[in-house]
Order: sequence, then structure tokens, then C-alpha cells
Amino acid sequence: EAGVAQSPRYKIIEKRQSVAFWCNPISGHATLYWYQQILGQGPKLLIQFQNNGVVDDSQLPKDRFSAERLKGVDSTLKIQPAKLEDSAVYLCASSRQGVDTGELFFGEGSRLTVL
Amino acid sequence: AQSVTQLDSQVPVFEEAPVELRCNYSSSVSVYLFWYVQYPNQGLQLLLKYLSGSTLVKGINGFEAEFNKSQTSFHLRKPSVHISDTAEYFCAGYDSNDYKLSFGAGTTVTVRA
Repeated sequence: EAGVAQSPRYKIIEKRQSVAFWCNPISGHATLYWYQQILGQGPKLLIQFQNNGVVDDSQLPKDRFSAERLKGVDSTLKIQPAKLEDSAVYLCASSRQGVDTGELFFGEGSRLTVL
Repeated sequence: AQSVTQLDSQVPVFEEAPVELRCNYSSSVSVYLFWYVQYPNQGLQLLLKYLSGSTLVKGINGFEAEFNKSQTSFHLRKPSVHISDTAEYFCAGYDSNDYKLSFGAGTTVTVRA
């Protein structure tokens, strides 16, 4: 089966600009996650969707970050305006519906550099 | 939510030598534990998982891990590493009470010839 697809793989922007990342999960996976991975740290959950509803966005900086998952499939993560500390890899992951074991399937990530 | 601590940030090792990466988790009634590997410029790939049953779990690429409830540990081992095992390794814990998967800070393994 096809894996989790993410784009773009790399993005360089200046601070205060905006950026958007796209994710297409594995077909049939109801749960979708966005993680932020800062260099030298483990991934940190930003937001979790179940179908097109938000399950957890407690660590999403809502003043600048937004995410949506229209129709319960693809998802977009937006940052506006970007700050230097947003430089990180943004990982999208998905998991099967009804399998409550926490096994996630990850995309290759979108690396953001904010100058 | 689970709290996961990886005790080593970097582990240098020679090719064909054994390696052990240490991971401790916070105690919880329901816990599932994972080790993921991240090769350079790639996403995370599942190495192995502990859900229940046998405390010795075997994964891909010759890795194995042992779940130790009394010591709240889930250490990863490989008896003989290859250059291709150079990567970052993440321990993760899933708490089925709040549906959250938490990652450790990662251990960078560098295998030298």
C-alpha cells in the first residue's frame, strides 16, 4: 500500500512569511497526526484528527498555526506568520481506525527553515 | 499521558559490536511501547512494538527489546551492528487512556568501521 505522502519536502522562508504543508494519509486511516520535530529533539504532537474532527490540539500554537482536514482525508498545516523558532521538520502520520495500539505510519516530513 | 526518557543522546559503536539503547517510561496501567528509527532525511519507521504478551520483542533488522515492568524500562538491543544502522532511534509510549503517543528525545547511533 502507498505510504503517507507529504509536500513540500523542503521549504525556506523569511520570518513573518506564511507557509503551508500538505499531507495525504494511507488510504482508510481515520486518524491523522501532525508532529513538529526540532533538531535534536523527539517529535512533539501538534494536532490529532479523527476523520475530520480535532481530537487534540492542546500543543498547537493557535495564534500562528492552523490545520484542517477536509472530508476526513487530506490535511493542511499552515503557519502564519512564521518565526525563527518554527524551523523544524513537520511530520505527518496516520493510523488505522479502530486499532487502539498507537502504531503510527509516518511520512518523510517537510523540513522548514525560517531565516 | 506517557513520559518517555531516553538515557543516552549519542551512542558511538564499532561495526559488528553489540549496542544497547536505554529507554524508561512512566508507569501507567495501560501502556504500549515502541521503538522507531529515523534514517537521515527520512521519516520515522517502526522497528518493533510491545503491546502485551512476551516481554522479549523482536523487530526488523535484527533488533530486539525487552519490556521490564518492575524497572519501567524498554531497552533496545542488537548483537552486531552494521554501518547501515547509523540513524536516530526514538522510544515512544502510548497511553490508551488519553490516546497520546509520546516520544523520547532520541538517541543518535553512529556506527564506525
